[in-house]
Amino acid sequence: DGGITQSPKYLFRKEGQNVTLSCEQNLNHDAMYWYRQDPGQGLRLIYYSQIVNDFQKGDIAEGYSVSREKKESFPLTVTSAQKNPTAFYLCASSIVGRASSYNEQFFGPGTRLTVL
Amino acid sequence: GENVEQHPSTLSVQEGDSAVIKCTYSDSASNYFPWYKQELGKRPQLIIDIRSNVGEKKDQRIAVTLNKTAKHFSLHITETQPEDSAVYFCAATTGAGGTSYGKLTFGQGTILTVHP
Repeated sequence: DGGITQSPKYLFRKEGQNVTLSCEQNLNHDAMYWYRQDPGQGLRLIYYSQIVNDFQKGDIAEGYSVSREKKESFPLTVTSAQKNPTAFYLCASSIVGRASSYNEQFFGPGTRLTVL
Repeated sequence: GENVEQHPSTLSVQEGDSAVIKCTYSDSASNYFPWYKQELGKRPQLIIDIRSNVGEKKDQRIAVTLNKTAKHFSLHITETQPEDSAVYFCAATTGAGGTSYGKLTFGQGTILTVHP
């Protein structure tokens, strides 16, 4: 599995601490996304970015922050303001701007965050 | 915004039987509908998709149908096998066919279990 990677696979955090999840892709994709996955709730969009140095809030951005300083990287910080951070976090990427077809999203392997 | 409802949440079938998962969407402008399969502990992967100008699409044992009038689409798996056991997610977007950002809205997921 190359292409899009996430680290670490498992992450434990104490309450009140910020933690940063890594997402890297070598697919030369312009767009990157962060999703949160909870049982029975599907995938919910946290943040997305279409281009370097630009990003937008998704449906559940509160308590999270991101940066997009490089095309290949889109780290997600889970802050202490996120009240229920225990979840499985998935990063994805896609190309942007092909008029003839939809731009499939490719997912990373995910990071499971547990707050102790 | 778009809302996607997926049913059933769990589905249990015997090997060789057919399985059907249904989704409804709210935004009549949605024009692309992918289905993702997520095996236990792995990343979601695209298995089939359909555009709004097509009513049905098949790929070996899987097929997807779309009813734009009723705003629902379905995944059909025939001759199920134990390796089909996974979580299946439907999704919808208005971002196909142009330079629009491809924001996906996911359904809640269906846990499919195929018993040998």
